[in-house]
Amino acid sequence: NAGVTQTPKFQVLKTGQSMTLQCAQDMNHNSMYWYRQDPGMGLRLIYYSASEGTTDKGEVPNGYNVSRLNKREFSLRLESAAPSQTSVYFCASTTGGTGELFFGEGSRLTVL
Amino acid sequence: QKEVEQDPGPLSVPEGAIVSLNCTYSNSAFQYFMWYRQYSRKGPELLMYTYSSGNKEDGRFTAQVDKSSKYISLFIRDSQPSDSATYLCAMSWVDSSYKLIFGSGTRLLVRP
Repeated sequence: NAGVTQTPKFQVLKTGQSMTLQCAQDMNHNSMYWYRQDPGMGLRLIYYSASEGTTDKGEVPNGYNVSRLNKREFSLRLESAAPSQTSVYFCASTTGGTGELFFGEGSRLTVL
Repeated sequence: QKEVEQDPGPLSVPEGAIVSLNCTYSNSAFQYFMWYRQYSRKGPELLMYTYSSGNKEDGRFTAQVDKSSKYISLFIRDSQPSDSATYLCAMSWVDSSYKLIFGSGTRLLVRP
């Protein structure tokens, strides 16, 4: 059982380049989330999708876009990367109930 | 002021010690309280979940919530080197679409 799978695991970009982080879950979860984790800041919500076909902004959405491609997949796009977007990005999903989030292993992004 | 405050540590204890980890929060609407454990270069995984006030015990782990003081705790008894990780508190509220607000995490090191 793969759970939540994120690709790529590592990426180095130059300022101004674009890229898409991919996330897929095989647990038939309705809700999916993108968080970023920075030292001393904890996990901060970028965007989320409560159900297929809907997306909403979280705490730190500026500079990002998302697409809920289908129930399994939720992608995060950086249109013009900035050094401030250097971070570890986590995708998560939940079926609801207790709200337990299941996380992927993270995507480490460095913007030079 | 952050909504959720957590001492970043690191906290270093000898094997077998009792560990106390804490978070304070400011939003009285929080009803769901969680502790996640995160090993180095991995995604967070749910350790304990509590709804509203009270205590919950699971093996060597006890979670406490004091809503009157806006204070939550995680106790680890008979700590083991395998408990060495970063512990993140997380909170949510009713009708939040399971969006979690995380503390910044406390890094714990259990010395053999």
